[in-house]
Amino acid sequence: DTAVSQTPKYLVTQMGNDKSIKCEQNLGHDTMYWYKQDSKKFLKIMFSYNNKELIINETVPNRFSPKSPDKAHLNLHINSLELGDSAVYFCASSQERTDGYEQYFGPGTRLTVT
Amino acid sequence: AQTVTQSQPEMSVQEAETVTLSCTYDTSESDYYLFWYKQPPSRQMILVIRQEAYKQQNATENRFSVNFQKAAKSFSLKISDSQLGDAAMYFCAYRGPMNYGGSQGNLIFGKGTKLSVKP
Repeated sequence: DTAVSQTPKYLVTQMGNDKSIKCEQNLGHDTMYWYKQDSKKFLKIMFSYNNKELIINETVPNRFSPKSPDKAHLNLHINSLELGDSAVYFCASSQERTDGYEQYFGPGTRLTVT
Repeated sequence: AQTVTQSQPEMSVQEAETVTLSCTYDTSESDYYLFWYKQPPSRQMILVIRQEAYKQQNATENRFSVNFQKAAKSFSLKISDSQLGDAAMYFCAYRGPMNYGGSQGNLIFGKGTKLSVKP
């Protein structure tokens, strides 16, 4: 009964490969997010998405693309992986227009590019 | 653009003592939300406490409380009766006002404070 789940939790791959990270939430939330946590633990938004709008952080390379097959899922696709993509990626969800706006985070996916 | 600053990269506290983690932020909005998240070594992000800017009363959750100074744009976290399980990275985060979606809905994080608890 995990609220926000991500798969895989660990991903090791080589430069130039294409990979995907899956995210699912069972909270019935209408908005989902992807954050990147770098080696210095700094967390930064990559994307936010609800059923109406995708907002992309302008600093995110276009090799990264979110795909949402339905409201409960927001997957992250990464093309032509680079060494600098190594990080922990967190998925999160929230229900907009409710008091508190708490975001629930997944367990994170540690991506290592070699 | 909104920014969040945590000026203490590391803090240490003795078990059972009290510690305060600092956070300042910059925004031109009058309505917003502030959060403290805890990230233990398991890396799971756990919400500790939240504060709505329109509420004057400081939020409390058991041993955790905040000192919210809106005019000073300060949002510090006080942990009372510190326990070994409190050892973690603590992140202060800002979220924009309710009436906007999109980028206003994102959390803007500070760089974090690593808290150690000594037995």
